[in-house]
Amino acid sequence: GAVVSQHPSWVICKSGTSVKIECRSLDFQATTMFWYRQFPKQSLMLMATSNEGSKATYEQGVEKDKFLINHASLTLSTLTVTSAHPEDSSFYICSAPGLAGGSYNEQFFGPGTRLTVL
Amino acid sequence: SQQGEEDPQALSIQEGENATMNCSYKTSINNLQWYRQNSGRGLVHLILIRSNEREKHSGRLRVTLDTSKKSSSLLITASRAADTASYFCATAGRGGSGSRLTFGEGTQLTVNP
Repeated sequence: GAVVSQHPSWVICKSGTSVKIECRSLDFQATTMFWYRQFPKQSLMLMATSNEGSKATYEQGVEKDKFLINHASLTLSTLTVTSAHPEDSSFYICSAPGLAGGSYNEQFFGPGTRLTVL
Repeated sequence: SQQGEEDPQALSIQEGENATMNCSYKTSINNLQWYRQNSGRGLVHLILIRSNEREKHSGRLRVTLDTSKKSSSLLITASRAADTASYFCATAGRGGSGSRLTFGEGTQLTVNP
């Protein structure tokens, strides 16, 4: 199957700093990628849809100025958590749909990034 | 927003037994997918069932879909300790929602050796 990578796998930062998380599709192109957040023992919550060459689409309640998304190429989307606070500590996961990109296809998930804000 | 509900929230069984997890959803769907997540890791796709399908098999996995009841079930037969993980159902909506998935709350499965 297709492979999606994330970097870094974990990061610890001080409150008020910004953190960038990268999501890459390694062997396929992804015009769309999805960013999720997962708190301990909870399900995945979709934060935003990243679109190559255009603005991201954010879910209700997600601050677009706090969670900056850039989808600069067909294989890379980045999520920047700006002015991070302890409540932003979470597991961030990205995904990309299969080659055809249609709703019938499975999604391929990255391994996730554990963010801890002190 | 999350629309899926799964039950049970937690399931503990002995190796060799079967495990059944259920998922309910609220809106019309294009397809429903099941994923597995080991603790602190990403998700692995298990099986996809389309809205016009009723049952699907993959190895030890059997998935059913009842669109009239807006529910699905995942059966894992002859469970193994390595099956211990969280299992999530996810629905893909119709029309312009494309590949956007809405996840259920998940079932934590523990298979005791």
